[in-house]
Amino acid sequence: GENVEQHPSTLSVQEGDSAVIKCTYSDSASNYFPWYKQELGKRPQLIIDIRSNVGEKKDQRIAVTLNKTAKHFSLHITETQPEDSAVYFCASISNGGADGLTFGKGTHLIIQP
Amino acid sequence: AAGVIQSPRHLIKEKRETATLKCYPIPRHDTVYWYQQGPGQDPQFLISFYEKMQSDKGSIPDRFSAQQFSDYHSELNMSSLELGDSALYFCASSSRDRGEKLFFGSGTQLSVL
Repeated sequence: GENVEQHPSTLSVQEGDSAVIKCTYSDSASNYFPWYKQELGKRPQLIIDIRSNVGEKKDQRIAVTLNKTAKHFSLHITETQPEDSAVYFCASISNGGADGLTFGKGTHLIIQP
Repeated sequence: AAGVIQSPRHLIKEKRETATLKCYPIPRHDTVYWYQQGPGQDPQFLISFYEKMQSDKGSIPDRFSAQQFSDYHSELNMSSLELGDSALYFCASSSRDRGEKLFFGSGTQLSVL
């Protein structure tokens, strides 16, 4: 089955700086890669996603890049703000979506004021 | 916009009791997923349904079962509860025919004492 590795597990950055979280996946058939933000005790919220036929996607301060050859994708957050503090999960989907998402282990992003 | 509805939000049970969690997907979504998330862990896929038929199974114990009804709502039935079953249980839904974006409910916090 699919295996998703995520790094780092914890990331602390100064407010206003950029944050980058990286993930790799194992299943070359995976074709959809979302990122979720989860605050303590709350639901994972979809913040951005990318499909395998696209190399980069941007939405305001958030961007995702995908290197399908190397099987890795990254989340970039610029001009970080205190409300960006949360756990971020990368995920991938394969098998036509039948078994849903395979998640990375998560990155605890801490924005230092 | 309508979201995924889960009930109850919190549930406290004793060991060896049973529990039933309910999920109402976003209207016109054809796929429902159940995830289990332990403290500090990533969500683990349990089971999914596509058009009311079981689609795939993940790490779901034999003590658990689930079904999707004619109105598309789903129930996760958990029997012979163990302390290790204490977790956040999320339901998510998607429209596979329109892409794989999964949207999560607010979750049910199950505590087994």
